[in-house]
Amino acid sequence: GDSVTQMEGPVTLSEEAFLTINCTYTATGYPSLFWYVQYPGEGLQLLLKATKADDKGSNKGFEATYRKETTSFHLEKGSVQVSDSAVYFCALSDPSGGTSYGKLTFGQGTILTVHP
Amino acid sequence: DVKVTQSSRYLVKRTGEKVFLECVQDMDHENMFWYRQDPGLGLRLIYFSYDVKMKEKGDIPEGYSVSREKKERFSLILESASTNQTSMYLCASSPIGDSSMGYTFGSGTRLTVV
Repeated sequence: GDSVTQMEGPVTLSEEAFLTINCTYTATGYPSLFWYVQYPGEGLQLLLKATKADDKGSNKGFEATYRKETTSFHLEKGSVQVSDSAVYFCALSDPSGGTSYGKLTFGQGTILTVHP
Repeated sequence: DVKVTQSSRYLVKRTGEKVFLECVQDMDHENMFWYRQDPGLGLRLIYFSYDVKMKEKGDIPEGYSVSREKKERFSLILESASTNQTSMYLCASSPIGDSSMGYTFGSGTRLTVV
């Protein structure tokens, strides 16, 4: 079945450091890929997405490129801020038919803490 | 602004109580989901529904039931709450026709069973 593997955290960085959170996936077919962010005490919010190979999703300075050859969707940001401290989830959506169509498979989440 | 609204942010219930968690969405989405989130365990799917009165078990349905009488509302029911059901509960919805849309999540309900 489909699966998503994220780098284990927690990740601790200083402000203005470069961020990479690795995400690899296993899926049949051609899934859409997502990054969600969860700020403390909140639900998950969609951060960015990509729907086909070589697409780059971007939002709030974060980027991720859909790499079919390496089955990866790594999240990057050039200069993190304290306000980026959150839990980040990588996910893929099931493109097959039936009642599972569009259902998301999530990674375990990566906790990011950014210090001033 | 489209929304998924969970009725309570925080709940404290006693062991053995019947607990209802309510979720309402205003996006006319067919799919609705209930997850629980625990430290170190990520998101675990409890139940989902792809239509009114339809439901399917997720990965951890034991001890829970659901109700979907109207398209916009999806209720999670803890028949007899236990302390191991203390958790963050997240509701989400998505359209059925487009797998690229992802989910819209509610803000979550933090349930404590004492």
